[in-house]
Amino acid sequence: DVKVTQSSRYLVKRTGEKVFLECVQDMDHENMFWYRQDPGLGLRLIYFSYDVKMKEKGDIPEGYSVSREKKERFSLILESASTNQTSMYLCASNPGTGNEQYFGPGTRLTVT
Amino acid sequence: QKEVEQNSGPLSVPEGAIASLNCTYSDRGAQSFFWYRQYSGKSPELIMSIYSNGDKEDGRFTAQLNKASQYVSLLIRDSQPSDSATYLCAVKIGGATNKLIFGTGTLLAVQP
Repeated sequence: DVKVTQSSRYLVKRTGEKVFLECVQDMDHENMFWYRQDPGLGLRLIYFSYDVKMKEKGDIPEGYSVSREKKERFSLILESASTNQTSMYLCASNPGTGNEQYFGPGTRLTVT
Repeated sequence: QKEVEQNSGPLSVPEGAIASLNCTYSDRGAQSFFWYRQYSGKSPELIMSIYSNGDKEDGRFTAQLNKASQYVSLLIRDSQPSDSATYLCAVKIGGATNKLIFGTGTLLAVQP
């Protein structure tokens, strides 16, 4: 079974803090993704990575950056957290041979 | 214009009935189609994938694809209260990336 883990299930941060969300997959998958999910807006792609040190912007990259130093780990960074970044953050991975994505459990981030 | 459209629901069906969930998409070059189930507060879980026109059955689930009509559906036979969840349709659009476009989901409520 594919295993995607995320560093925290719940996180509370203050406005202006730098926030790190980590995602690890154990299946040697090529591609990794970061989404945020908000009521009525669905899943929106923030960034994705198709190889170590490679990244591409998704639909809503503003205010975020990412890092992929090792194949199994993909980090999402909120440079200066703002209240409008309060959301559920979901990481997913994809083996590269097909298009299906497998999700981690999610991190519910609250910025106060 | 949204690229993947789903009726938000809720779709309410009695226990034991067939639940029919529908999804339309705008990209004629779309190649792969997925259904995810998401329980409240949890992350999406892949339940079905379909790649060619016609039906694909897996247990109580049947996915149906009609590329000419740009329409994909999910049928759940013998619906159970445990099937109550939001069902997300996802489409792999044309091009080289492994990006998926997600609908906003249909909330299914199975009444005991």
